[in-house]
Amino acid sequence: DAGITQSPRHKVTETGTPVTLRCHQTENHRYMYWYRQDPGHGLRLIHYSYGVKDTDKGEVSDGYSVSRSKTEDFLLTLESATSSQTSVYFCAALQGTGNTIYFGEGSWLTVV
Amino acid sequence: RKEVEQDPGPFNVPEGATVAFNCTYSNSASQSFFWYRQDCRKEPKLLMSVYSSGNEDGRFTAQLNRASQYISLLIRDSKLSDSATYLCAVRGNNNNDMRFGAGTRLTVKP
Repeated sequence: DAGITQSPRHKVTETGTPVTLRCHQTENHRYMYWYRQDPGHGLRLIHYSYGVKDTDKGEVSDGYSVSRSKTEDFLLTLESATSSQTSVYFCAALQGTGNTIYFGEGSWLTVV
Repeated sequence: RKEVEQDPGPFNVPEGATVAFNCTYSNSASQSFFWYRQDCRKEPKLLMSVYSSGNEDGRFTAQLNRASQYISLLIRDSKLSDSATYLCAVRGNNNNDMRFGAGTRLTVKP
């Protein structure tokens, strides 16, 4: 357990609206990640952060932005949601001791 | 070609059976290897890391074959509670470079 919580857990939104998903961690992890998981594709990295205000793109970053103003919070923003962004989003953090990634419980987003 | 590939299954096996999953990866420079378990509508949870010499945790055995670029997971004496999707994960040199397979679904039946 890496002490990761996500909010909201479920959200339905309309096409064209902005959406922000929040990831909060309590264990001072340096590296944090946002993934999306879709059938047939598995988990794909959207953006990651390697410290406060240090972020970079993953393999499916188009249409997404992130911010990390505090170590404990990593925000994912969909500037203008599209139906193709309907997915389940997982936040994750790298736990240094085992050098492994642990996930939050997920945020189910539906764009209608 | 995907960087990490798994047979999606489903694997349907009776209780007590032994079942094995393979996962192939394309990046020969990959450094770290993992198996995750994911239950329906839940987050992936780390099942075990995979070490070069192979490792065992109870009924679960993980192996790495660098020459052929695959990792495997063997589950002995399957339990109903083993029913889940199993994801393999492979990391390269960077902490941002973790790639996941799409998962193999296992159903253990009475």
